[in-house]
Amino acid sequence: EDKVVQSPLSLVVHEGDTVTLNCSYEVTNFRSLLWYKQEKKAPTFLFMLTSSGIEKKSGRLSSILDKKELFSILNITATQTGDSAVYLCAVASGGGADGLTFGKGTHLIIQP
Amino acid sequence: GAVVSQHPSWVICKSGTSVKIECRSLDFQATTMFWYRQFPKQSLMLMATSNEGSKATYEQGVEKDKFLINHASLTLSTLTVTSAHPEDSSFYICSARVQFSTVRGTSGVYEQYFGPGTRLTVT
Repeated sequence: EDKVVQSPLSLVVHEGDTVTLNCSYEVTNFRSLLWYKQEKKAPTFLFMLTSSGIEKKSGRLSSILDKKELFSILNITATQTGDSAVYLCAVASGGGADGLTFGKGTHLIIQP
Repeated sequence: GAVVSQHPSWVICKSGTSVKIECRSLDFQATTMFWYRQFPKQSLMLMATSNEGSKATYEQGVEKDKFLINHASLTLSTLTVTSAHPEDSSFYICSARVQFSTVRGTSGVYEQYFGPGTRLTVT
């Protein structure tokens, strides 16, 4: 059974801090790993990673994948209160149609 | 681009009735869409894969006769919760698959964009 584990489950930091969110996975036939941000509604897409060692960057957010060690990290620098959300890691795997297996998410709270 | 809509956003229904939720890809065609369910404080769980022109594929433990999926066109998939019960109350989210075809070596890799979700409450 495919498994995606995120840590920490919850994190509270002050505005301006840098945070690192972790995602490890055990899946058969890995295809891609995706990061999403979920506030009150459905998840919004952040990154998709398919290759090891290539950093994806968007503003203050960045992510990298290690396919040998089976994990990914999501970094957020100079955090703002608007970054408060649940960050979800998901993996597409197998020979199927890419239905995603999600981790439980990291609940990030940025305090002013 | 890659906008997915859902209708309705929120529905309250009585136990025993059926509810239909629509998922539309607004600016692209999606041969494959997915339906997820999210209970409070839990992560998304894949329910089924909806394929245009063919039968849906259900995940283990999801009753296909209770959750009817119809993917009638390249831009529309519907999920009908039949004979809904209070335990079916949840946040239902669809996603559509978009080919990630611009990166060398990633054929067969897709991004997924989510709809805004439908909150179903069964009383």
